[in-house]
Amino acid sequence: DTAVSQTPKYLVTQMGNDKSIKCEQNLGHDTMYWYKQDSKKFLKIMFSYNNKELIINETVPNRFSPKSPDKAHLNLHINSLELGDSAVYFCASSRPSYNEQFFGPGTRLTVL
Amino acid sequence: AQSVTQLDSHVSVSEGTPVLLRCNYSSSYSPSLFWYVQHPNKGLQLLLKYTSAATLVKGINGFEAEFKKSETSFHLTKPSAHMSDAAEYFCVVSDPYNQGGKLIFGQGTELSVKP
Repeated sequence: DTAVSQTPKYLVTQMGNDKSIKCEQNLGHDTMYWYKQDSKKFLKIMFSYNNKELIINETVPNRFSPKSPDKAHLNLHINSLELGDSAVYFCASSRPSYNEQFFGPGTRLTVL
Repeated sequence: AQSVTQLDSHVSVSEGTPVLLRCNYSSSYSPSLFWYVQHPNKGLQLLLKYTSAATLVKGINGFEAEFKKSETSFHLTKPSAHMSDAAEYFCVVSDPYNQGGKLIFGQGTELSVKP
């Protein structure tokens, strides 16, 4: 009965590869988000989708492309991975106009 | 523009003593404020939230925070620390009128609890 789930939990890959992280929520929320947590534990929003529509795109390189097949899923695809992409990526969801966000367990991406 | 400053990057307390984690915010609007906790290698869990109701907010695990508009502060407190409270704590601000629901995170405060 996990509320927000992400797969995989760990992802280790080589520079230049393309990878995807999947996120699903079973809370019935309309809005989903991707956050990046760097090595200093600083968290910053990357994207926000509301009912499959992109709402926020925070100056993220266009190598990062979110995809929302339906309002319960928001996947993150990353092309041409770079060393600086190594981080923990968190997915979250919320109801519209209600700021409490529920976070997934995170995906630790390591680019070698 | 909104911002959050957590005044201490690390706080160390002894088990059974009070906890105080300090947070100041800056917002052009009446903000929504949150405290989230992140245990090692875990996701983020909401401790409590302020959304313009009572200024003293009670959360889970005995934590509470007081919204002080005059001081633009939202400090997190707990009367008696427990070993299981050791974690990273994030103060977060959000603009309730922002359709995107963007959360602005503070830099985090690492809480250590000594036996």
